[in-house]
Amino acid sequence: DAMVIQNPRYQVTQFGKPVTLSCSQTLNHNVMYWYQQKSSQAPKLLFHYYDKDFNNEADTPDNFQSRRPNTSFCFLDIRSPGLGDAAMYLCATSRTVHQETQYFGPGTRLLVL
Amino acid sequence: AQSVAQPEDQVNVAEGNPLTVKCTYSVSGNPYLFWYVQYPNRGLQFLLKYITGDNLVKGSYGFEAEFNKSQTSFHLKKPSALVSDSALYFCAVRDITAGSYQLTFGKGTKLSVIP
Repeated sequence: DAMVIQNPRYQVTQFGKPVTLSCSQTLNHNVMYWYQQKSSQAPKLLFHYYDKDFNNEADTPDNFQSRRPNTSFCFLDIRSPGLGDAAMYLCATSRTVHQETQYFGPGTRLLVL
Repeated sequence: AQSVAQPEDQVNVAEGNPLTVKCTYSVSGNPYLFWYVQYPNRGLQFLLKYITGDNLVKGSYGFEAEFNKSQTSFHLKKPSALVSDSALYFCAVRDITAGSYQLTFGKGTKLSVIP
């Protein structure tokens, strides 16, 4: 089945230790998004790729970076995780950025010790 | 700027009763509106969307929503609630007239269906 896959589902890291979360999709969608969702809050868009074009939200901390080596894969790099970065990280895809529905992966829950 | 309000943090309904989860929005142009559902420790699942056309939109699992432009609302409804409908529901909006690509979510409403 076509889908959005996120690995790992749970990630534990230490304060300040770089961590990478991965997302892959079999939908062949042009756009991939990364959201941060803290407990009991709405998902917050961090950035998105339209093909190879990277679009960063204005309030996304510099600590967060992303890579998209090809259409299928997108990575979220947190260079120096702080305790406040503990959250669920959701990857989503859409065919275009306009009226298209976004399809979400199951998320990766990040714990920072 | 676009925004979404979900006025109820939690909605409780008895199994078999109709349910409504409320959503109001604010955009400067024309909205695209979405409902997503999230089960514990899972990603968001798409339920339905309004783009244009008929104001009553039917979606997955028997859910429907009505777009009301004058009241800037897009309430989610289901005629008969199931215990398995218990989850967190998010309304989201995109202002397509403004050329916005960003999907803005409400804070979510926790639906509990009581057996």
